[in-house]
Amino acid sequence: QQQVKQSPQSLIVQKGGISIINCAYENTAFDYFPWYQQFPGKGPALLIAIRPDVSEKKEGRFTISFNKSAKQFSLHIMDSQPGDSATYFCAASSSNTGNQFYFGTGTSLTVIP
Amino acid sequence: DSGVTQTPKHLITATGQRVTLRCSPRSGDLSVYWYQQSLDQGLQFLIQYYNGEERAKGNILERFSAQQFPDLHSELNLSSLELGDSALYFCASSVGGDFSYEQYFGPGTRLTVT
Repeated sequence: QQQVKQSPQSLIVQKGGISIINCAYENTAFDYFPWYQQFPGKGPALLIAIRPDVSEKKEGRFTISFNKSAKQFSLHIMDSQPGDSATYFCAASSSNTGNQFYFGTGTSLTVIP
Repeated sequence: DSGVTQTPKHLITATGQRVTLRCSPRSGDLSVYWYQQSLDQGLQFLIQYYNGEERAKGNILERFSAQQFPDLHSELNLSSLELGDSALYFCASSVGGDFSYEQYFGPGTRLTVT
């Protein structure tokens, strides 16, 4: 059973456009929601993360929107650039129930110049 | 460069064999995490060690084991290898023991089982 469901699987966006990737979860014990960026041949790198006590967090062109009641969170990349082309993973963890860490299935983003 | 090192970079072995993957965390980091990334299973958390002790366990098979040594480097042992174990294995480290601490990933070890 996939603990964190991520969509879309792939995304093509024009340079300057907004990229939106969505994730949904069921386990209400999750209390930390990071997004990772992975370039080919590299390990994932933390991009931005949020806790359930806030509904939005922004860092530069990257924003996480969090909807606790809907159990959904999303990554918005504003002014998308070709250098943003990578695979993005959402994740969720719980420090209260066995300290588990689950990734979404990943979204391959291509930003066209 | 994340500061996390993993060796070897590539490993090719046969079914039924045993291999050991090595990870050196960033200086000052006490936690080491192991992840498996494959096309069919995606990115999966295997196990975490914090300051030498097992801290959390994910989808790690019984054929797999890990340990963290006093110098904080870690090894992941994979035995009785099967074709399905072919994957990228990542190690990550963080300063604290909770998942909310930023994890820094190494470059990975690509394991091919033939």
